[in-house]
Amino acid sequence: GAVVSQHPSRVICKSGTSVKIECRSLDFQATTMFWYRQFPKQSLMLMATSNEGSKATYEQGVEKDKFLINHASLTLSTLTVTSAHPEDSSFYICSASPSGITYEQYFGPGTRLTVT
Amino acid sequence: AQSVTQLDSQVPVFEEAPVELRCNYSSSVSVYLFWYVQYPNQGLQLLLKYLSGSTLVKGINGFEAEFNKSQTSFHLRKPSVHISDTAEYFCAVSGTASKLTFGTGTRLQVTL
Repeated sequence: GAVVSQHPSRVICKSGTSVKIECRSLDFQATTMFWYRQFPKQSLMLMATSNEGSKATYEQGVEKDKFLINHASLTLSTLTVTSAHPEDSSFYICSASPSGITYEQYFGPGTRLTVT
Repeated sequence: AQSVTQLDSQVPVFEEAPVELRCNYSSSVSVYLFWYVQYPNQGLQLLLKYLSGSTLVKGINGFEAEFNKSQTSFHLRKPSVHISDTAEYFCAVSGTASKLTFGTGTRLQVTL
């Protein structure tokens, strides 16, 4: 149980275009979803927290107009990287919580974004 | 504020040898502690967690960790490692209402 999927697993896009990443909780309803970013050989950094039907809460330093998060249902959250640039290339990982409690998170397999 | 320090960026070890991955934390409130494993190009898998109760926590794949409040540590141990344990290991801390904060990770490299 408690499976989280992400799609796509890898995506390559050209500079200036937008790309959408989906995060789905497959066997539970996710009150809260989290989006993380991981640079090569570094730790995960929380980008934003989203609750179903509410606006996402972004961490300090994360551009909310660049990283659009939508949590339209209890099983789906999307992250859209708008006007992507090479420096946005990274590994993006989502997690989902059935309870909304931060210490109960189930992680997706991640999405590798490469911007050329 | 809370933070996590993983003292070793890399730990090389021979197969079947014991291993300890160190983790220290700082927090002004009660904490919950976690160890996650990440295989290449994959997400995180929870190895074990400490929320309350017994300070010795047993997890999956033969791993265990001990919460030491006086030393603010939560070191991960395994008595005998396997090649398949080669991965990146992350220690993380969370408070009751705070976000999950990760350490910088320890690369465990198991060789024959």
